[in-house]
Amino acid sequence: DAGVIQSPRHEVTEMGQEVTLRCKPISGHDYLFWYRQTMMRGLELLIYFNNNVPIDDSGMPEDRFSAKMPNASFSTLKIQPSEPRDSAVYFCASSFLGYQETQYFGPGTRLLVL
Amino acid sequence: GENVEQHPSTLSVQEGDSAVIKCTYSDSASNYFPWYKQELGKRPQLVIDIRSNVGEKKDQRIAVTLNKTAKHFSLHITETQPEDSAVYFCAASDTGGFKTIFGAGTRLFVKA
Repeated sequence: DAGVIQSPRHEVTEMGQEVTLRCKPISGHDYLFWYRQTMMRGLELLIYFNNNVPIDDSGMPEDRFSAKMPNASFSTLKIQPSEPRDSAVYFCASSFLGYQETQYFGPGTRLLVL
Repeated sequence: GENVEQHPSTLSVQEGDSAVIKCTYSDSASNYFPWYKQELGKRPQLVIDIRSNVGEKKDQRIAVTLNKTAKHFSLHITETQPEDSAVYFCAASDTGGFKTIFGAGTRLFVKA
């Protein structure tokens, strides 16, 4: 298996633009997590899905952030409109059986909002 | 909610020495404690994990100990090597589907 795949790896955009981050989890994994990592706030869970259904989105910063998982092999995290404070590395991770098992992280998307 | 504190924030050791990183958690319901290693510019990867029904787990040079009464757990790395240099994160979660809460991380430097 190729592991968790994320795209793009780097994204530079201007404030106010829409940003879409993509993730393909490991085949067979039924949990998918979106994290944000910054120096100031560390690694924060934004939202997670179980069998394509959003279970907990309490970590989503505000209404500008939305996430979807239309099928078992694809998820998106969208920021609209983007702001400079959204600059961070966004990781997608997947696991089999959820929190009590190893989470496999993707390579991350480094987002810079100017 | 759960809160995980990690110490120290930075640790520098000489190659061959041991390194110990400590974490405390607040929610007594937490029963799964993984440790992740993140090299510069890379993704976090699991190093070792422990569940609350055991007090210690070892994998070659790496061990984790858990004290449920005191609500703290520690990562021990023996015979450190330069390739152990990275940021290490502890985390805690429970069976209720509570979020996995990560500590702030410890930057480990192993000097050759």
